[in-house]
Amino acid sequence: SQQGEEDPQALSIQEGENATMNCSYKTSINNLQWYRQNSGRGLVHLILIRSNEREKHSGRLRVTLDTSKKSSSLLITASRAADTASYFCATGGSNYKLTFGKGTLLTVNP
Amino acid sequence: EAGVAQSPRYKIIEKRQSVAFWCNPISGHATLYWYQQILGQGPKLLIQFQNNGVVDDSQLPKDRFSAERLKGVDSTLKIQPAKLEDSAVYLCASSSFGRLDGYTFGSGTRLTVV
Repeated sequence: SQQGEEDPQALSIQEGENATMNCSYKTSINNLQWYRQNSGRGLVHLILIRSNEREKHSGRLRVTLDTSKKSSSLLITASRAADTASYFCATGGSNYKLTFGKGTLLTVNP
Repeated sequence: EAGVAQSPRYKIIEKRQSVAFWCNPISGHATLYWYQQILGQGPKLLIQFQNNGVVDDSQLPKDRFSAERLKGVDSTLKIQPAKLEDSAVYLCASSSFGRLDGYTFGSGTRLTVV
């Protein structure tokens, strides 16, 4: 079963704009992670936020986590054409098992 | 450090045939995962190993899928016999036990069952 649900399923923006993707989940978590997948390739780990953290930054990425609402958001600022990919949230439990959502397909138009 | 190695990169087989995938994790990573990703969906965990022991195989279709991780290093995933619905990308990932880091994924094996 897939725990995380990303929203929207697809997002198309212009280069330079910000992109926001949301993730909701159902059960308690130890951590939440975001991954990027370019077409036909493996997943690349972007950022991890622990359940006791509320916000985390990494370069142009900003992740927030609201455990009371069981939701997270990923913000990519000043997007580039190279950011075009699918983005997945994954919830981590205490057994180091990750459960992925269905992903958001981001298209950044030059 | 070298990444997670997977082979083959692509495989086309007929239904009812058997197929095997190989994965070599990052050196020192005790935890190894096999995921199945059907087109347009997120990865689904098939099996999780800790060293050479199985931690979770609750979503592995055991009537046709099997996996092993001998000596706690590389791993093989086998499907026998394959069905059309097994067409997917099979991803291997590894992580360090006890460290809360992201997983490192291999490039995957794209399986097409015809």
